[in-house]
Amino acid sequence: DAMVIQNPRYQVTQFGKPVTLSCSQTLNHNVMYWYQQKSSQAPKLLFHYYDKDFNNEADTPDNFQSRRPNTSFCFLDIRSPGLGDAAMYLCATSRGSFGTGNTEAFFGQGTRLTVV
Amino acid sequence: GQQLNQSPQSMFIQEGEDVSMNCTSSSIFNTWLWYKQDPGEGPVLLIALYKAGELTSNGRLTAQFGITRKDSFLNISASIPSDVGIYFCAGQGNGNKLVFGAGTILRVKS
Repeated sequence: DAMVIQNPRYQVTQFGKPVTLSCSQTLNHNVMYWYQQKSSQAPKLLFHYYDKDFNNEADTPDNFQSRRPNTSFCFLDIRSPGLGDAAMYLCATSRGSFGTGNTEAFFGQGTRLTVV
Repeated sequence: GQQLNQSPQSMFIQEGEDVSMNCTSSSIFNTWLWYKQDPGEGPVLLIALYKAGELTSNGRLTAQFGITRKDSFLNISASIPSDVGIYFCAGQGNGNKLVFGAGTILRVKS
């Protein structure tokens, strides 16, 4: 059974129209990550949560926001999608250990976002 | 920030051949992870390494955590067509941030 579930698998949104991607996990992991992956490139970390502590990457545009209402769910909000935001968005979780980071991360299947 | 250099960028090999790829870092990592990603899917964890010098196998895959903690390699023995995909190394230093190498595209000719 899938342990990190992303919905939807495919999302088409209009230029400038807010869109939300969701991720849920059954692993009870402390850490949840959001990555952006463009074609044939490495996943690029946007931000991560350790429990409720939000950690934003310095180069993540303000257009990208995240919410984690509880341990199991995490959302990626794109306030005004541009054509350049079309990508695969990957959610991952890890048990995590604050300050040492000594655990593996498990990924969902990803959401392919298309902006028209 | 922490960066990973992964090589080679791509490989096109004959079925049955062995494959080797590696990652190096500008800083020390506490964890090295190796993932395989198929088109349109999320990365799947292959091997996790936690100690310097650690050598771990998973079937035909073997990976090692370098003793300097700044590098790792992944070997695939006797490649088969289903090994095709993109292989990523990922490293985790202090804190929970996980950074990825650029990936190695593997193609297998049968």
